Amino acid sequence: QVQLVESGGGVVQPGRSLRLSCVATGFTFSNYGIRWVRQAPGKGLDWVAVIWYDATITYYAESLKGRFTISRDNSKNTVYLQMNSLRVEDTAIYYCARFGTRNTDAFDLWGQGTLVTVSS
Amino acid sequence: SYVLTQPPSVSVAPGKTARITCGGNRIGSKSVHWYQQKPGQAPVLVIHYDTDRPSGVPERFSGSNSEHTATLTISRVEAGDEADYYCQVWDVSSAHWVFGGGTKLTVL
Repeated sequence: QVQLVESGGGVVQPGRSLRLSCVATGFTFSNYGIRWVRQAPGKGLDWVAVIWYDATITYYAESLKGRFTISRDNSKNTVYLQMNSLRVEDTAIYYCARFGTRNTDAFDLWGQGTLVTVSS
Repeated sequence: SYVLTQPPSVSVAPGKTARITCGGNRIGSKSVHWYQQKPGQAPVLVIHYDTDRPSGVPERFSGSNSEHTATLTISRVEAGDEADYYCQVWDVSSAHWVFGGGTKLTVL
């Protein structure tokens, strides 16, 4: 079954860290890039980070200011999002989504999301 | 940074046509993608590269893009089309992927 499955979310205190995982099945993972997108409660979609299929290129939303790091392990069909110095405003559902090899490619496959709640 | 503007809500009667717009400066020169998100679910791609429908998306969904406005058109609207719809582009100037604020489609 072609799918992405996120995990690693939970409740964390401000200033702490969390690592999210996105596991791919049913397709050749190493041919695709992965983007993380988040959605705060009742709000719209915001792109967070991206990693190319071969991990040679990564981009981050400016608002993250170096707190998040995206990486991947193609041998495990997994992309990670390391989130440090978490803030209350980082509370959101985090989705990973697949794309091809071009910046203009759509997010053509999404995971079900994992909820991150930052609260004291 | 590049901004995409969508109406917060659109309402339509069953069987009629819904049009959801996405405004942006010279958006006609960009590739626009559209996503459908039903309550409690992840987004699903319904239109990519302005006009193309992914496999499995009904022909009732179509897209267009010109100058400063892209449009998602849903013909013969059904109750199951009720959802939030988001447009999205790649902005080369900022090297960012940008989403519109979303439009809630209500089927009356």
